[in-house]
Amino acid sequence: QVRFVQSGAELKKPGASVKVSCKASGDTFTIYAIHWVRQAPGQRPEWMGWINAANGKTKYSPNFQGRVTLSRDTSASTAFMELTSLRSEDTAIYFCATISISFSGAFDIWGQGTLVTVSS
Amino acid sequence: EIVLTQSPGTLSLSPGERATLSCRASQSLNNNYLAWYQQKPGQAPRLLIHGAASRATGIPDRFSGSGSGTDFTLTISRLEPEDFAVYYCQQYGSSPRTFGQGTKVEIK
Repeated sequence: QVRFVQSGAELKKPGASVKVSCKASGDTFTIYAIHWVRQAPGQRPEWMGWINAANGKTKYSPNFQGRVTLSRDTSASTAFMELTSLRSEDTAIYFCATISISFSGAFDIWGQGTLVTVSS
Repeated sequence: EIVLTQSPGTLSLSPGERATLSCRASQSLNNNYLAWYQQKPGQAPRLLIHGAASRATGIPDRFSGSGSGTDFTLTISRLEPEDFAVYYCQQYGSSPRTFGQGTKVEIK
């Protein structure tokens, strides 16, 4: 079964960009759709979008359209989430997640999360 | 965008008691594509239920899901100490996927 290990915590200034990585192991990377979910302190999770690891096709939540870019490097079995024009409200834990259950769309495999703090 | 509303916000119960959590959708969910997650502090959400009523692998049978259309329920038949956590519902039949605001199950 696939497992995800994400990159470490980031501290960014307002207006900057951040790029978080999600490295897969334990299974063939390209069979998965990699989703990104963020969770601000004390708030509900928020879905950001997903990338098809096989062909790189993406779909973004309208709430992030234009500010988020999902990409992947199949040779490194790694997915990336880049968020630009950061503001304090983007302070959150960012998770990658995927679906391994056949005919389901629920996220049963998650990375450990990456804390992104936006502060001047 | 489908809005999910969970109730109650907080449930104060004792170990051994039954917990009933509700999730209401602003519109009917395609194919009952509704999941329930458990989250503890500092951890990623853990999938409990998918397809409204199917337990994920390794989830104890004290957890059960039911409902269809716009109204869904997560029931924990007898609370164990490790069940005190925050629970979220999520719909995945419509884009963007959305989560409810959560129900905290705390020790009374």
